[in-house]
Amino acid sequence: DIQMTQSPSTLSASVGDRVTITCRASQSISDWVAWYQQKPGKAPNLLIYKASSLESGVPSRFSGSGFGTEFTLTISSLQPDDFATYYCQQYDIYSLTFGQGTRLEI
Amino acid sequence: QVQLVESGGGVVQPGRSLRLSCAASGFTLRSYGMHWARQVPGKGLEWVAAISGDGSDKYHADSVKGRFIISRDNSKNTLYLEMSTLRTEDTAVYYCVRGSPEARQYFDYWGQGTLVTVSS
Repeated sequence: DIQMTQSPSTLSASVGDRVTITCRASQSISDWVAWYQQKPGKAPNLLIYKASSLESGVPSRFSGSGFGTEFTLTISSLQPDDFATYYCQQYDIYSLTFGQGTRLEI
Repeated sequence: QVQLVESGGGVVQPGRSLRLSCAASGFTLRSYGMHWARQVPGKGLEWVAAISGDGSDKYHADSVKGRFIISRDNSKNTLYLEMSTLRTEDTAVYYCVRGSPEARQYFDYWGQGTLVTVSS
């Protein structure tokens, strides 16, 4: 299986900060990466697909980049609603796999 | 709008079986691959199984292979997960997820989840 190593596991930040979360794949997966946001007690919500494509309705402060094995999710200016847990996912090859998650806290 | 509503969760003893259902609405189910994912409370996400739109192709995670079976009934707009020989480590919230309409599928819609607790 392809391993997705996400870092950091916890990130402390303030409203207005620019933050970056990194995901590293154990082998090349082209740009078949998605990013999800999850709030406590809720299902995950799609933010980014194909490494850098913004899902409809997602604020433009979210952006993704990367190709091959290194991927990043950036939030340009943190808003109070952004404090949540974020997961990367590779969907190149079955078994589909997720990163272990990054908890973004105030 | 797209809705995915899971049901069938509950408390079950180790070694027993359970079937989860997912009622889909707001889109043409047969046009989409569908998935099950799970999450141990307080932990990360794990993909469990996938099925193609017509049901001809199925994939299962190694952790459930031989014990869980994904299936679908497009005429009833319903996705299923048949779980047998349940283990305590199968305790999780199980999500029904729609795959994006491409060969390689990310997850564009999620249900609210149903909790399965495996305990004696």
